[in-house]
Amino acid sequence: DSGVTQTPKHLITATGQRVTLRCSPRSGDLSVYWYQQSLDQGLQFLIQYYNGEERAKGNILERFSAQQFPDLHSELNLSSLELGDSALYFCASSSHGISYGYTFGSGTRLTVV
Amino acid sequence: GESVGLHLPTLSVQEGDNSIINCAYSNSASDYFIWYKQESGKGPQFIIDIRSNMDKRQGQRVTVLLNKTVKHLSLQIAATQPGDSAVYFCAENMRTNAGKSTFGDGTTLTVKP
Repeated sequence: DSGVTQTPKHLITATGQRVTLRCSPRSGDLSVYWYQQSLDQGLQFLIQYYNGEERAKGNILERFSAQQFPDLHSELNLSSLELGDSALYFCASSSHGISYGYTFGSGTRLTVV
Repeated sequence: GESVGLHLPTLSVQEGDNSIINCAYSNSASDYFIWYKQESGKGPQFIIDIRSNMDKRQGQRVTVLLNKTVKHLSLQIAATQPGDSAVYFCAENMRTNAGKSTFGDGTTLTVKP
């Protein structure tokens, strides 16, 4: 157990739907990062939050949004889902605003049908 | 069972041999580098890191080498074991870039008994 908790582990949903992925960072970590891992594109950075504030943004689609709550857990919202959104979504946390290595969760496998 | 210099998407080695996994990074301004190991069904796991002011760092059975001149990173695993079978990723960071890591293409290491 890495200490980073992601739920749910698996999610199957239909195109056009909206889902929410949840992440609880490791105790004491202030930064949360979201990554998408698909077979053909490796690990792609989506977004980072530090202590409740958005710190960096990657190639995150407008249909996707995230937030970090006062208790430091984070949610990634994916809407108007398309088949191509099927992927593994990882959350990672670190104790610094500037990463010196992440602790990853086990991921949420999203399948859009 | 080792490769030097060239990034290979797959690498197969005999148990007990040494493995070398290569990575070319993209940004000459990157100043911190990390190797991760990802086992099937799990999130990436931190293995070892190195700062740009170093050219070598050793851990337990692993060594990371950094060549900034050619923007090349390698991970050496001594006495490779079946439990080392996984996908290995390098990641590069700029400490001024809010902690976002850019991941390289992974290398799938298979250890034959």
